[in-house]
Amino acid sequence: AQKVTQAQTEISVVEKEDVTLDCVYETRDTTYYLFWYKQPPSGELVFLIRRNSFDEQNEISGRYSWNFQKSTSSFNFTITASQVVDSAVYFCALKEGYSTLTFGKGTMLLVSP
Amino acid sequence: DGGITQSPKYLFRKEGQNVTLSCEQNLNHDAMYWYRQDPGQGLRLIYYSQIVNDFQKGDIAEGYSVSREKKESFPLTVTSAQKNPTAFYLCASSRSELTSYNEQFFGPGTRLTVL
Repeated sequence: AQKVTQAQTEISVVEKEDVTLDCVYETRDTTYYLFWYKQPPSGELVFLIRRNSFDEQNEISGRYSWNFQKSTSSFNFTITASQVVDSAVYFCALKEGYSTLTFGKGTMLLVSP
Repeated sequence: DGGITQSPKYLFRKEGQNVTLSCEQNLNHDAMYWYRQDPGQGLRLIYYSQIVNDFQKGDIAEGYSVSREKKESFPLTVTSAQKNPTAFYLCASSRSELTSYNEQFFGPGTRLTVL
């Protein structure tokens, strides 16, 4: 069975600090996809990134970067120079084969001025 | 603009009453989903539909029912059999459930409170 663990329940940082959100997954499949979503206080989940299991290249998008390591089954998300608008709950999710998406329990990030 | 709409945003219901949550999408997506979110629990799948007139139970389907008569609509009914219905409900859609890589797009959610 697939499983996603986000061990950090809540993280508090001060603006301009870098912060890394951890995501560890379990799967028996060799083909799978990993996702990150952001849920701001408004409630709607916003898609951030998708990564397939065959592509271990790290990705950078502005202040966001993602580190995918199959050897440790991790797909960590780093925000550089955090801003107040980054305050949200962040979810990591896993999809394998024809199964449905499995979400982690989320990490609440609070960025204070 | 394409997207997913959910109504109402806030819903109050008395114990013992059924209530229906609306979800509409104009993204021309085949697959639609309903999730329940409780504090500290993440998102749990209630039902999903891969195509019109077809739907499958998710992890926590008991006490809920759905229909998919039109491609763009996937209403969720919370029945009186659902023991603890107070939660935040999110609807989502994707191009296809069968294809693994499609991301899901979410609506703004409905917060249901049972009085």
